[in-house]
Amino acid sequence: DVKVTQSSRYLVKRTGEKVFLECVQDMDHENMFWYRQDPGLGLRLIYFSYDVKMKEKGDIPEGYSVSREKKERFSLILESASTNQTSMYLCASSPLIGGQAGGTFGSGTRLTVV
Amino acid sequence: AQTVTQSQPEMSVQEAETVTLSCTYDTSESDYYLFWYKQPPSRQMILVIRQEAYKQQNATENRFSVNFQKAAKSFSLKISDSQLGDAAMYFCAYTGTASKLTFGTGTRLQVTL
Repeated sequence: DVKVTQSSRYLVKRTGEKVFLECVQDMDHENMFWYRQDPGLGLRLIYFSYDVKMKEKGDIPEGYSVSREKKERFSLILESASTNQTSMYLCASSPLIGGQAGGTFGSGTRLTVV
Repeated sequence: AQTVTQSQPEMSVQEAETVTLSCTYDTSESDYYLFWYKQPPSRQMILVIRQEAYKQQNATENRFSVNFQKAAKSFSLKISDSQLGDAAMYFCAYTGTASKLTFGTGTRLQVTL
């Protein structure tokens, strides 16, 4: 069964910490995405990547960065965590050709910044 | 920029009844895809159904069907014979020439006995 795996289901970090959220997919997909989910706001795109070492900003990139050193792994980095980054983070992947498949999602990481 | 709007934050349906969730979108693209995702309490996003914009025929997957009105930019989801397991958040989503998904704000569906 194909999978997108997010390393942590729950995470609690302190304000000012550098936080890494890891995502790994085993489908050889070119595209990978990081979304943030908040009540009443739906899912909003933070960053996406079409290939190794490639990245593009989504709708809400401020306060975040990403890293894609290998095709299967896409990391979201909070350089200095703040309380307004407390949220659910969802990773997804899709093939380069065939984005119409809609993407496969991980189970999410619920991050709390205190 | 594309936008997706879900105007119903919450809906409720009795078991075995039919419910329709609404979604509208805005785009200037001619080639695109629309999706409905289900997110149960487990948080796993599950693709329920998708529709290609170039197809006039409405998509159907078992008890789930869509009413796709391209001119009106409307894409509603109908769930027939509702079951307790249908209770979840439902998200409408769009993808166009880029592969990224744009989501609506979601509709929480409750299923009552």
